[in-house]
Order: sequence, then structure tokens, then C-alpha cells
Amino acid sequence: DAKTTQPTSMDCAEGRAANLPCNHSTISGNEYVYWYRQIHSQGPQYIIHGLKNNETNEMASLIITEDRKSSTLILPHATLRDTAVYYCIVRVASASGTYKYIFGTGTRLKVLA
Amino acid sequence: EAQVTQNPRYLITVTGKKLTVTCSQNMNHEYMSWYRQDPGLGLRQIYYSMNVEVTDKGDVPEGYKVSRKEKRNFPLILESPSPNQTSLYFCASSRGTGGNSPLHFGNGTRLTVT
Repeated sequence: DAKTTQPTSMDCAEGRAANLPCNHSTISGNEYVYWYRQIHSQGPQYIIHGLKNNETNEMASLIITEDRKSSTLILPHATLRDTAVYYCIVRVASASGTYKYIFGTGTRLKVLA
Repeated sequence: EAQVTQNPRYLITVTGKKLTVTCSQNMNHEYMSWYRQDPGLGLRQIYYSMNVEVTDKGDVPEGYKVSRKEKRNFPLILESPSPNQTSLYFCASSRGTGGNSPLHFGNGTRLTVT
């Protein structure tokens, strides 16, 4: 199964871009990368996902390297409300047709005023 | 409103007393899953289900059971809870086909086993 590795914590100044890296060096060709965040002990909130191409939505941008072994989540203008734990997840498919989502341990992002 | 609903939100019980945590989704999702979250360990998958009557073990299934008799419900059963099952539990669901199907999470159930 593909595993993800993320830094334990990061700080970012309010109003600046927050760049959160994720390593998924064992990812296979048909496995998607998802990003979620969790504020306090609430249920994780979906942010963005991608397979090969870079993606952008109203919350963030996702940059995936050409070899797909790593990705970066970009919050373009971080606010205090973006302080959370950010999870990079790989969705892994098996030969039997089942699949599962594998969570990393997450990056605790602290946005500083 | 599209949502995943877990009940109860908080539960305190004693060792060995069977309990069930319910999970229901109103999005007609095929895929459902249970996770537990413990300090320093992130989210770990307990069981998942691709569709009705199709379930499979995740990374930490010991001590848990699940069933998927209907598409919308995926209860988590602890036949004989032990203190090491004290944790924060999340249920999640997704459409289940293709890659454009993010997980939707419930608000969590905080379980304490004494």
C-alpha cells in the first residue's frame, strides 16, 4: 500500500501562502492523492484531490510532481481559521476491486497573526 | 442537507458491555468506512465497505465488527469493549466509483471505556 509522509508541524504568517508537502513515493499509477484538514476534533474536511495534473479550487491548489512521488498543497492566503491538521491521503485500489484510503499522520499548520 | 450522521457523540461505558455506534449517510454512497483517531497515531482505518453486504478489514479491525445490510447504514459494533478501545471514532462515506469521490466524514463519536 502506498504510504504518505508529511512534516509534523509548520508555521505560516497570516496572509502568506502556506505550502504543505507530502511524500508518496510508492504511489501507483491509478492512485489518487486527497487532502483533508481537521480543526480540533471535528470530522476531517475535504479540500482537494488529484491524480496527475495540478488542481485548483476555491480553497487551495494541489501541485503534483511529474513522477507523482510527491505533492504540495498550497493555501494561497492563509488566515487564522486555516490553523488545523492537514492530512495527505492516498486512495489505494486492489486487484479485487476494493479500495481504501490510507491516511498519513498529518501536518499541524499554525497560522500566526 | 447531505451528511454523515453518527450517534452517539459521546459514550462512556464499562469493560465488556456490548455497544453499537451508528452511522448513516443520506447521499446514496456505496463506500463507507470507520476510523479511529488516537493522539500521535492519526486516523487508522478499522473496517470499510464497498457496498451492501461487502465489508473488509482495515488496519486495526481487532475487537470490532461491522455490518452493511442497507446502503445508508454502517454500524460499528464492539462486542466486548476494552479500555484500549477508548478513542475518537469517525465514520465516512464516498460515492465509491472513479477518482472524483472524496470522503465525507461524520462529526465523530468519543468513546471512553472504563
